Amino acid sequence: AQKVTQAQTEISVVEKEDVTLDCVYETRDTTYYLFWYKQPPSGELVFLIRRNSFDEQNEISGRYSWNFQKSTSSFNFTITASQVVDSAVYFCALNAGGTSYGKLTFGQGTILTVHP
Amino acid sequence: GAGVSQSPSNKVTEKGKDVELRCDPISGHTALYWYRQSLGQGLEFLIYFQGNSAPDKSGLPSDRFSAERTGGSVSTLTIQRTQQEDSAVYLCASSLVGGASGANVLTFGAGSRLTVL
Repeated sequence: AQKVTQAQTEISVVEKEDVTLDCVYETRDTTYYLFWYKQPPSGELVFLIRRNSFDEQNEISGRYSWNFQKSTSSFNFTITASQVVDSAVYFCALNAGGTSYGKLTFGQGTILTVHP
Repeated sequence: GAGVSQSPSNKVTEKGKDVELRCDPISGHTALYWYRQSLGQGLEFLIYFQGNSAPDKSGLPSDRFSAERTGGSVSTLTIQRTQQEDSAVYLCASSLVGGASGANVLTFGAGSRLTVL
C-alpha cells in the first residue's frame, strides 16, 4: 500500500520568509513518481513538479526548490522569499503500485498562509 | 477546451435524490479521472477512464456511484440515493496519455461541490 504524510497541517509565515513543506512517503515499489500540487482558493489543483524514483537530483524553479531523499523517503518543498500569492493548500502525491496511469495517493495537504 | 470544465460548480440536494456531475476534459486528452476531496478523507481516487472504458473503478465507494464517458470526451459521475457522507468536492482531471508510464501529469478542474442535506 502507498502512503503520503504531510505532518504540517498549517503553516503561517510573513512575506519574504523562507518556508519548507515536508512530505514523507511509503511504498514498497522501486519505481514510483512523486508530485507536488498547489490548490489556490479557486479550487483547481495546479501541477508544480514531478519526480521519478531514479532521479534524486534536487530541482530549483525560481523561488521554488525541491529536495528528494530516498534514504529518508522524503520529498520536501521550499519556497524562498515567500509572497502573499503563495498562500494556498499544497499537496504532495505518490504514483506507485505498478499503475501506469495517474492514480495518485495524496497527502492530507498543508495550508500555507503568507501574511503581508 | 483550454482547461478541464466541470458542472455544476455547486450542487445542493436532499438525501435520497440522485445527482449527476459533468466533466469536460481537455480536448485530445485520452485519460480522464475522478477524485473526491472531503474533510475527513482528503483527496481520494475514484475512477480512471482510458477512452470510453474504465479499467480502474477501484475507488468508487459503493454501488450507488457510477460513471460513464462517451465519445472519448465528456464524462458523467452519477450518485444515486445520495447520503450525507457523499458531501464533498468532486474533482475531475485529464491527461494526455493514459497508458504510458505513471509519470502522467494530471490537469484538474475546479471541482463540483456537492452538499447533501
